[in-house]
Amino acid sequence: KAGVTQTPRYLIKTRGQQVTLSCSPISGHRSVSWYQQTPGQGLQFLFEYFSETQRNKGNFPGRFSGRQFSNSRSEMNVSTLELGDSALYLCASSAPGQANTGELFFGEGSRLTVL
Amino acid sequence: DQQVKQNSPSLSVQEGRISILNCDYTNSMFDYFLWYKKYPAEGPTFLISISSIKDKNEDGRFTVFLNKSAKHLSLHIVPSQPGDSAVYFCAAKGQGGSEKLVFGKGTKLTVNP
Repeated sequence: KAGVTQTPRYLIKTRGQQVTLSCSPISGHRSVSWYQQTPGQGLQFLFEYFSETQRNKGNFPGRFSGRQFSNSRSEMNVSTLELGDSALYLCASSAPGQANTGELFFGEGSRLTVL
Repeated sequence: DQQVKQNSPSLSVQEGRISILNCDYTNSMFDYFLWYKKYPAEGPTFLISISSIKDKNEDGRFTVFLNKSAKHLSLHIVPSQPGDSAVYFCAAKGQGGSEKLVFGKGTKLTVNP
């Protein structure tokens, strides 16, 4: 069974640009969540989607947005990039029935560098 | 305000000895606590969890202890192996249907041969 797949793995952008990151969850997983990892802050929750609906949103500015498609794939978008957006963006999915235990399956992440 | 805290950024132990990683939390409404392990250039992987109604959960070399009165949990690894060298994140999940996890900042464990 393929794991959570995130693309692209690495990307470099300049301030003011926008970026779209993609996540394909494990087959059969309908819930997808996104986290930002930075050296000083650890993993911070961005969003959570289930059946194309945003179920929860973290404390990030409106420049950060996301969506989920009918096949459970998810994308997140960051507009008007700032230097502080440089981070590892992690996507995670959960198995049906496992959602309440907090056990998530993470992808390898998309490493964004903003210059 | 950090709801989940890992106060030790790093820990170094000898192979074969016990590793103890600690985590403190402030929110009494968390219903699950989890440990994730992360190697460089990889995503975090689930290691072990404990429900808030339990005080101990064991899985092979890994045991998690929960002290609700102290709002403290710890992960014990016995015996430690060099392959256990990684960053360990403590995480907590709130009650309800949301899967949102609140993570600590991580502890880098180094197991020396």
